[in-house]
Formats: sequence, structure tokens, C-alpha cells
Amino acid sequence: QVQLVQSGAEVKKPGASVRVSCKASGYTFTGHYMHWVRQAPAQGFEWMGWINCNTGATNYAQKFQGRVTMTRDTSISTAYMELSRLTSDDTAVYYCLRVGGPSGWYWDYWGQGTLVTVSS
Amino acid sequence: QSALTQPASVSGSPGQSIAISCTGTSSDVGGYNYVSWYQHHPGKAPKLMIYEVSNRPSGVPDRFSGSKSGNTASLTISGLQADDEADYYCSSYTGYSAVFGTGTKVTVL
Repeated sequence: QVQLVQSGAEVKKPGASVRVSCKASGYTFTGHYMHWVRQAPAQGFEWMGWINCNTGATNYAQKFQGRVTMTRDTSISTAYMELSRLTSDDTAVYYCLRVGGPSGWYWDYWGQGTLVTVSS
Repeated sequence: QSALTQPASVSGSPGQSIAISCTGTSSDVGGYNYVSWYQHHPGKAPKLMIYEVSNRPSGVPDRFSGSKSGNTASLTISGLQADDEADYYCSSYTGYSAVFGTGTKVTVL
């Protein structure tokens, strides 16, 4: 069965960077785009961008341009999201999401989420 | 990009029907048939309930249905059950990105 298993919780200081991993199993990794979203405490979801797991092409939300980098390692079916220059506003649960179909804009599987806490 | 507007809470008794609205603009909900809905039990991974306005993934009960009129999409849950109690979020394509709704807490009385 399809699974997306994310790396564990992180605590970072302001100004640092964080990298979250998302290991996929149960399907052909390169056959689906992966998106990333986050949910800050008591708030809704915020879309961050996507990566084409086949070609490595990316598209980032304007808000995160210059601060986010999405990569993948096809040899281990793992996608990564790195966010730099962290502030307290980046404290959130980060999720990887598998695109569900050709339209590309809905997600049929989500990772379990990774809590990133930014605190001095 | 502003979040789509959802009611903060909706409640109903077991067996009743409820509807959750998701209001956007002609640049998102009204402009594309790419609205999806997610059920989120806190602490768990969200679950896809409806995609492309009205399509139901396999395994999702037909008690869940979706529709759209103009800039507003709706998720209807009929025959409400205790396990339906959760947070629900809509999402829409915007032409170059995605935007989510503010979220609705569904309470089963």
C-alpha cells in the first residue's frame, strides 16, 4: 500500500535551516509529483510548492521563493523540503503530499507530518 | 493569495445532513474545476474525500458529495455519523498554485 513516511520532529533556532524528508513506498516514485504544505498552530494549511519526482523540476509558492528548496533522490524514493532563514513564524507541521491524478491539483496520500519548532 | 472562506463550525445530529461551503473568487474556485476536500482528525494525516469538485475516491462513502456554483463549492455529508466528527478543508487550484480554506469543525451532536 502507498505510504509516505516523514522524518521526525525538529527544533531549530531562528536563522537556521531545516530539511524534512518524505520516504515513499508502495508505488512508482517517479510517476507522481510531490507537493509540500504546512499548518501553523491553530491555523489552516498553506501550500508551499511541488517537485516533479521524475525530472526534479520545481515550482514554489511566491511567499517561499528564495527560502525553500525541494529535491528528491530517486534511488531511495525520497523527497526533501529544505527551508532556510527560519523565524518563529515557520513553526508548523510540514506535510508531503502525493498528487492523485493527471490534473495535478489534488492529493490522495499525505505524510504523517513533521513538527518544526523554531525557538531561541 | 487569500484563504478560501469556510464556516468555522457546523453541527448536526446523527442521521442528519449538513453542508460546508467554501467561498473563493473567479481566480480560484470559480475559475477551475479543481476543488478538493479533506477530512482531518487532529494528529492524523488528512484524508482526501472529494476531488475535482464532485468526484469521490474509492473507499469514501457515497454519503459524501461535492458540488460547485459560481465561486462557492460545497461538501455535503448525509446520514451524519459519529466518525464524521473532524475538521474539513477545501482546496482550489489558482492557476499557478493552490489555496486552502480556513477549515470547518464538524461536530456530531
